[in-house]
Amino acid sequence: AQSVTQPDIHITVSEGASLELRCNYSYGATPYLFWYVQSPGQGLQLLLKYFSGDTLVQGIKGFEAEFKRSQSSFNLRKPSVHWSDAAEYFCAVGAPQGAQKLVFGQGTRLTINP
Amino acid sequence: KAGVTQTPRYLIKTRGQQVTLSCSPISGHRSVSWYQQTPGQGLQFLFEYFSETQRNKGNFPGRFSGRQFSNSRSEMNVSTLELGDSALYLCASSPQGSFYEQYFGPGTRLTVT
Repeated sequence: AQSVTQPDIHITVSEGASLELRCNYSYGATPYLFWYVQSPGQGLQLLLKYFSGDTLVQGIKGFEAEFKRSQSSFNLRKPSVHWSDAAEYFCAVGAPQGAQKLVFGQGTRLTINP
Repeated sequence: KAGVTQTPRYLIKTRGQQVTLSCSPISGHRSVSWYQQTPGQGLQFLFEYFSETQRNKGNFPGRFSGRQFSNSRSEMNVSTLELGDSALYLCASSPQGSFYEQYFGPGTRLTVT
């Protein structure tokens, strides 16, 4: 069964600083990988996804993520955060074969210091 | 195109009652998935409907059920509500042939007292 671990429950960074949110997954093969963002009182918005190919994926709002098969990781990065990036971030995996569903990590809450 | 809409946005029910939540997908989308989000368990997949048929189901008790209509609108029902059913219920729609291109609605916040 797939599982996703986001080791950091809460991260605080200063505005303008760089950001890296960690995500590790467990799956028998290479899964589909996703990052979503959720602002308070809102649904989830897809930031980026990885299905195959180039392991560095560009997303919306200046985010990128890198798939590292050897580390079973899919970390999210942004070179310079803005106050509007404060939100909760979820990593998710999906199975390319078999039952299709998204399995989410527990989320990382991002706080931005002015 | 209008996004995914969910009604109602907020709901308060009493333990033992039942509740029905509604989801209208993006026009043209035929797949609707439901998720439960709680502080303790996080985001968990409930079920997915495509063309009025349930294709996938998560690990939830039979009190949780759903259906999809011919216009792709979907409802989920929770019977005999328990306090632990308090959660944000999210639905997502996706276009045919692209299940993982999921667009989420704002959710229905259910509080069970």
